[in-house]
Amino acid sequence: SQQGEEDPQALSIQEGENATMNCSYKTSINNLQWYRQNSGRGLVHLILIRSNEREKHSGRLRVTLDTSKKSSSLLITASRAADTASYFCATDALDNDMRFGAGTRLTVKP
Amino acid sequence: ETGVTQSPTHLIKTRGQQVTLRCSSQSGHNTVSWYQQALGQGPQFIFQYYREEENGRGNFPPRFSGLQFPNYSSELNVNALELDDSALYLCASSFGAGRGRHEQFFGPGTRLTVL
Repeated sequence: SQQGEEDPQALSIQEGENATMNCSYKTSINNLQWYRQNSGRGLVHLILIRSNEREKHSGRLRVTLDTSKKSSSLLITASRAADTASYFCATDALDNDMRFGAGTRLTVKP
Repeated sequence: ETGVTQSPTHLIKTRGQQVTLRCSSQSGHNTVSWYQQALGQGPQFIFQYYREEENGRGNFPPRFSGLQFPNYSSELNVNALELDDSALYLCASSFGAGRGRHEQFFGPGTRLTVL
């Protein structure tokens, strides 16, 4: 079963705009990770945020975590056409099982 | 690209057959996890191998089995294939046990089609 739910399911923006994706989950977690996947290929790890962290940055990526609301967001600033991909959140739950959501499909138009 | 490789890239089988998928982990990694990803869905955890022992299993029947070898490469075997087994199978390597506690490096996947 999938733990996380990404919102929206699909997002289409113009190059240069910011993209925000949200993830909600159900059980308590050790950490939450965001991954990116291009065209049904392997996943690429973007960022890991631990349950005691509230915000993390990596280049144009900003991730927030609100454990009280069981939610996380991924912000991509100044998007590029090359950012077009599916983005998944994955939670490391306390029962030691890693679970992915169904993903957000991001399209960045040049 | 990660150092994780998978073979074959694509595979077509018929219902009832058996299949073996292979994964070579990234150098220095001792843990391999396998995931099934149906079209339009996120990856579902199948099982993980840590130092050649199974270290956790998701909600998959026993006809899904695996092995990890001394060089930490791994195989996923699926017996009695069903149509619903059609999916992208991903392996991910990491250092240390625990599915989400360490960054995982994914291979490009094997696309399995069951007819």
